[in-house]
Parts: sequence; structure tokens; C-alpha cells
Amino acid sequence: QSALTQPASVSGSPGHSITISCAGTSSDIGGFNYVSWYQQHPGKAPKLMIYDVTNRPSGVSNRFSGSKSGNTASLTISGLQAEDEADYYCSSYTSSSTLFVFGTGTKVTVL
Amino acid sequence: QVTLRESGPALVKPTQTLTLTCTFSGFSLSTSGMCVKWIRQPPGKALEWLARIDWDDDKFYSPSLKTRLTISKDTSKNQVVLTMANMDPVDTATYYCARAVRGVILEYWGQGTLVTVSS
Repeated sequence: QSALTQPASVSGSPGHSITISCAGTSSDIGGFNYVSWYQQHPGKAPKLMIYDVTNRPSGVSNRFSGSKSGNTASLTISGLQAEDEADYYCSSYTSSSTLFVFGTGTKVTVL
Repeated sequence: QVTLRESGPALVKPTQTLTLTCTFSGFSLSTSGMCVKWIRQPPGKALEWLARIDWDDDKFYSPSLKTRLTISKDTSKNQVVLTMANMDPVDTATYYCARAVRGVILEYWGQGTLVTVSS
């Protein structure tokens, strides 16, 4: 299955904002509003941070926001904090036979 | 409170069949719209979805692994079982189960279980 493309790493200083991109195609990100984002700390299970492109589950900080433009989705973390240092994965429904696909993952480092 | 927990062998030999069980609480898999997915993550690598079973017993598989996977549910026991045949060392990974909404939003995850394939 073809994974969505994310940058391998993104870094930022505390208090600053960073944006993680997730590039797909018109069969997945571009065609549907079914993009989710997950945060994963080392040795832990992923945690849902954003669903349906822009929605935050209850309990997730409003420092996390999602958006989409064309075939690319983005996750923005504002007011970066040490606890935000983790791996982040996007995912999307796809109309291909794969049905569902994850991104390649991005390691976020807080400098 | 929704919880999921994966269980199964930590070590399997090549060519063997892996059987994993996801035991959950806080929801019923007979409720319309509910589904459970299996996802795996090789050490240091990205997430990969494997299979999904819906409340109405519809089943979906990753095309690349479809011939090796079987997913089933026991609603009375609140369990979902995944079997993967013909295990290979490249299948070494942490295997997660997760509750999904509309099949695409993985709301709740188990803690994962590490399966190592080695002779």
C-alpha cells in the first residue's frame, strides 16, 4: 500500500509553531475529508489528535489544529511544548483497494 | 470508559500462524457504526493497518496481506481475533487493536503487544 508522505522530521523552539505536512492524492486526502492525526510517544500507543481534517477530540489541547489544501493535509502545533516531542502520523480513507492508509510519520523535536 | 487490550504470544517461529486477541470493554461491537481495526508497527517504522471488522460482521483486509489474514469477532465475549498465517521475521512488530468510528477514526487504542518472529 502507498503511504501518505510526511517529512521525516520537524523541529521547533518552545513557544513557537510548527507545521507537519501529509501529502496524498485525489484518491485519498484530496477526495475526502477523512484525515486524522495521531501522536505517539516512545513505547506508547498512538493517540488521536485530529479527525475529519480539522476536529479535535475532547481533551486534546487547542494548540493542535488541522487543515487541508488540495491533496495535502497539515497539522499545526502552536506554542510548542517539551511534551509535544513525539512521532506524528496522518491517516486517510482512500478510494483505492487499500481503503485506508497511514503516513510515513514525522518525528517532532523540541529544541 | 473504553479500553482495549491485545494478547497473544510474544514469540512465534517462521511459518507458524499467529493468533492475537483484542479484548475490549466500554462499548459493544454489535452497536451500529462500531468497528475494530488491527494495526502493526515494526520496530522504528511506521504504522500499517491490517484488518477491520464491523458491527455487522463486514470484514476488510489490507490488500498486501489479505491472503494471510483472518479477522473474527465474538460479541458475547467482547473480543476480536486476528490470525496471520505463514509468519516471517519481517512480521516482527508491535500489534495494536483500536476502536474505529466510520472505519477511519481510530479513537481508542490498546497498549500493543510485541510479537517477534524468530526460530
